[in-house]
Amino acid sequence: QVTLRESGPALVKPTQTLTLTCTFSGFSLGSSGMSVSWIRQPPGKALEWLAVIDWEDDEQYSTSLRTRLTISKDTSKNQVVLTMANMDPVDTATYYCARTRGGKTVSAWYFDSWGQGMLVTVSS
Amino acid sequence: SYELTQPPSVSVSPGQTARITCSGHKLGDRDTSWYQQRPGQSPVLVIYQDSKRPSGIPERFSGSNSGNTATLTISGTQAMDEADYYCQAWDISSAYVFGPGTKVTVL
Repeated sequence: QVTLRESGPALVKPTQTLTLTCTFSGFSLGSSGMSVSWIRQPPGKALEWLAVIDWEDDEQYSTSLRTRLTISKDTSKNQVVLTMANMDPVDTATYYCARTRGGKTVSAWYFDSWGQGMLVTVSS
Repeated sequence: SYELTQPPSVSVSPGQTARITCSGHKLGDRDTSWYQQRPGQSPVLVIYQDSKRPSGIPERFSGSNSGNTATLTISGTQAMDEADYYCQAWDISSAYVFGPGTKVTVL
């Protein structure tokens, strides 16, 4: 059974750096074809993909947020960490991590298991 | 940047067929996935790579993709299918893109 769980601060101040951890079980990021993504959803709005890291340590980032994001993994701990710098109130959202699969072609990847999500509020 | 368009809402009577469209430039040349999100819950993958159904997803969910439009079809719609549905595709300039979502109401 695949499970993912997000953890981190529920409240951050503007200009601070957000650090979120995704702890997962039921698969390994050391296995070929496995990746983990971060996706967020502002209250009442649509999903927005942020970043992905794959089994070969390759990373992809949202074009619009690239300069603020860093994704990393600890395969031995089954964890993926996302940092987002210079937080702003517009970054208030539920942040999800999701297992990402689809073979060696990145354009075919999809998000087949999601965590429960974590609401992060940015406010002074 | 690449954009996907969906109708804001679709209404369907119980037992009827709901069709949700997703439009984008040459979308038929890309792999499209669909996600269901019930209120207060995390998204669930219902269709991937245009028309494949994950295990555990009912057969009434099906997908197609051609030209500039991908379609998610729910046959014999049930009350439990009332949710927001998001399409998703990949583009070399934008990476993974989601549509704005369609709210399906079962009347």
